[in-house]
Amino acid sequence: AQKITQTQPGMFVQEKEAVTLDCTYDTSDQSYGLFWYKQPSSGEMIFLIYQGSYDEQNATEGRYSLNFQKARKSANLVISASQLGDSAMYFCAMRKTGFQKLVFGTGTRLLVSP
Amino acid sequence: GAGVSQSPSNKVTEKGKDVELRCDPISGHTALYWYRQSLGQGLEFLIYFQGNSAPDKSGLPSDRFSAERTGGSVSTLTIQRTQQEDSAVYLCASSLRPARVSTGELFFGEGSRLTVL
Repeated sequence: AQKITQTQPGMFVQEKEAVTLDCTYDTSDQSYGLFWYKQPSSGEMIFLIYQGSYDEQNATEGRYSLNFQKARKSANLVISASQLGDSAMYFCAMRKTGFQKLVFGTGTRLLVSP
Repeated sequence: GAGVSQSPSNKVTEKGKDVELRCDPISGHTALYWYRQSLGQGLEFLIYFQGNSAPDKSGLPSDRFSAERTGGSVSTLTIQRTQQEDSAVYLCASSLRPARVSTGELFFGEGSRLTVL
């Protein structure tokens, strides 16, 4: 079975600083994908970034980067130059290759202060 | 509309009543998903549709839960004889095609918040 663990219920960061949100996962599968989603107060989930288990380079999307350490089974999200609009819940998720089901962690609430 | 539309946005019901939650996916999206988010928890997968068929309904928590999709478009999630533990936000998502592992392009709606008294 797959499991995602996010140990930080809440994080605070000042505007323009970088922040790392932790995610560890547990799976016996060799081929899988790792995802980060943002959930603002409106409730919808917004896809941020994806990392494949066989990708050798860390994924980057604008200010988002995924620090993938396969041996440690971690997939931390790094947000550079935080903005006030980054305040939201952030969820790490994974999906086994060939399957449609996404398994989510419990999320981290990020608060960006001026 | 341009996005995934869900209705109602809020539903309060009494224990034992049946409820129906509706999802209108993005036009042309063949894959549709239902997830449930309980307070303080991550999202829990319920069911996946490809077209009108549901190849994976492994996440439905009991036989009180059912879902259908008609015309390859709108989907309805029905909860019969609701219980207090059914209280949650029910999120619907769609994608243009079944999500390959190389993409994360699920587009989510804003959810239907269900409260069972």
